[in-house]
Amino acid sequence: GAVVSQHPSWVICKSGTSVKIECRSLDFQATTMFWYRQFPKQSLMLMATSNEGSKATYEQGVEKDKFLINHASLTLSTLTVTSAHPEDSSFYICSARRPNGETQYFGPGTRLLVL
Amino acid sequence: GESVGLHLPTLSVQEGDNSIINCAYSNSASDYFIWYKQESGKGPQFIIDIRSNMDKRQGQRVTVLLNKTVKHLSLQIAATQPGDSAVYFCAENKGNQGGKLIFGQGTELSVKP
Repeated sequence: GAVVSQHPSWVICKSGTSVKIECRSLDFQATTMFWYRQFPKQSLMLMATSNEGSKATYEQGVEKDKFLINHASLTLSTLTVTSAHPEDSSFYICSARRPNGETQYFGPGTRLLVL
Repeated sequence: GESVGLHLPTLSVQEGDNSIINCAYSNSASDYFIWYKQESGKGPQFIIDIRSNMDKRQGQRVTVLLNKTVKHLSLQIAATQPGDSAVYFCAENKGNQGGKLIFGQGTELSVKP
C-alpha cells in the first residue's frame, strides 16, 4: 500500500498564532513530499516541494517565511503556518512519492480555520 | 499559460449508467497522467494512471483513454454507483519538473439513485 497520514485533521486557532501540520508516509519512505492548499470548490494548488535533507522548493507567490517546511526524515514532513491570519484558512493537503516513483499518494488533509 | 482543464465542471448520471469525464491538457511534453477522486472533506485518492506511450488503460470499472493528437484525456466509469459521487481531477506530470503535478479544475460527479 501507500498510506499517507496527516495530523491534525482539523485545527482552529487565533489570528497571529502558528500552526504545525504533520505529514507522514506510513508504509514507505518518501524522499519527496508535496504540500498543497485547496479552497472550497477549487482545485489543488501546489505550495511547495519538500525534499528530505534539503530546503523546500516553493512555488511562485508562496511566502517561504510564512509557510515553513521541514522534511527531517524519510517519513515525515511538517508545514508550519506562521502568524496565521483568517485568509490562511484553507484545506491543506500533503502528498508523498516513493523514491524513483511518479505517483503521488495523498494524505487526508488538514482543515485550518483562523479566527 | 499551460494548464490542464476539464470540459464539464458538473456531471449528473443515473445509477448503473456509464460516466465519462473529460480533460484537456496543453503541454505536449507531458508524459504521465493520473486521475484522482476526491470525496468531500478528504484528500485525493489515486484511481488510475497512464503514460504517454499508451492510448488506453483499464482498471476495475474504470478506463482511461489518452489521445495525444488532440491532447485529451478521459476517465470512463462503468456501471456508476452512488459511491462514485465525488470530484474527479486529472493531473499531468510534465517531466523534468521534479515530479510536480498540474491539476485540472475538477469535475463533480453526482450519481442519482
